[in-house]
Amino acid sequence: DSGVTQTPKHLITATGQRVTLRCSPRSGDLSVYWYQQSLDQGLQFLIQYYNGEERAKGNILERFSAQQFPDLHSELNLSSLELGDSALYFCASSVVGSPSGNEQFFGPGTRLTVL
Amino acid sequence: QQQVKQSPQSLIVQKGGISIINCAYENTAFDYFPWYQQFPGKGPALLIAIRPDVSEKKEGRFTISFNKSAKQFSLHIMDSQPGDSATYFCAAKYSGAGSYQLTFGKGTKLSVIP
Repeated sequence: DSGVTQTPKHLITATGQRVTLRCSPRSGDLSVYWYQQSLDQGLQFLIQYYNGEERAKGNILERFSAQQFPDLHSELNLSSLELGDSALYFCASSVVGSPSGNEQFFGPGTRLTVL
Repeated sequence: QQQVKQSPQSLIVQKGGISIINCAYENTAFDYFPWYQQFPGKGPALLIAIRPDVSEKKEGRFTISFNKSAKQFSLHIMDSQPGDSATYFCAAKYSGAGSYQLTFGKGTKLSVIP
């Protein structure tokens, strides 16, 4: 168990809908990362937040957005969903700025199925 | 643009054998190279990691070999066991501008047969 929690575990929805994925980082970790895992693209970095502020953006679609709250949990919002958005979405957390702060610990993921 | 290339895509090794997975990178600014292990239905778990100022790092049966001049690094699993059957991902991190995102290889599905 990495200490990172994600809810829900599974999500089935229809095209055009909007969903919210939730992540709670490990205790003490200030940084949260979101990754998308699909069969054809592998693990792709989406976005990083550090202590409530956006730190970096990767291949994140404009239909997707995220935020990190004062209690450090994070939410990834996916809107106008398309079939191609079906994937595993992982959240990871790390302690940024410490000598051992390189390690990112991944949650169990949310499997999103868009029908 | 894929910045970390991983091979092979799949690997079958007999129990007790050595599993070798290779990765190559392009960005010389990468400063941290972890390997992750992922079992079906689970999130990736950090296995072992290395910095570019070290040529080899060993933890138990797992060894990373790093060749900075060739921009390549590899994972060796000694005495491979059926329990090692999983998908392995190499990754690289660039810390510029305060970002610590990981760039992953496409993964290698390892099957260790008895």
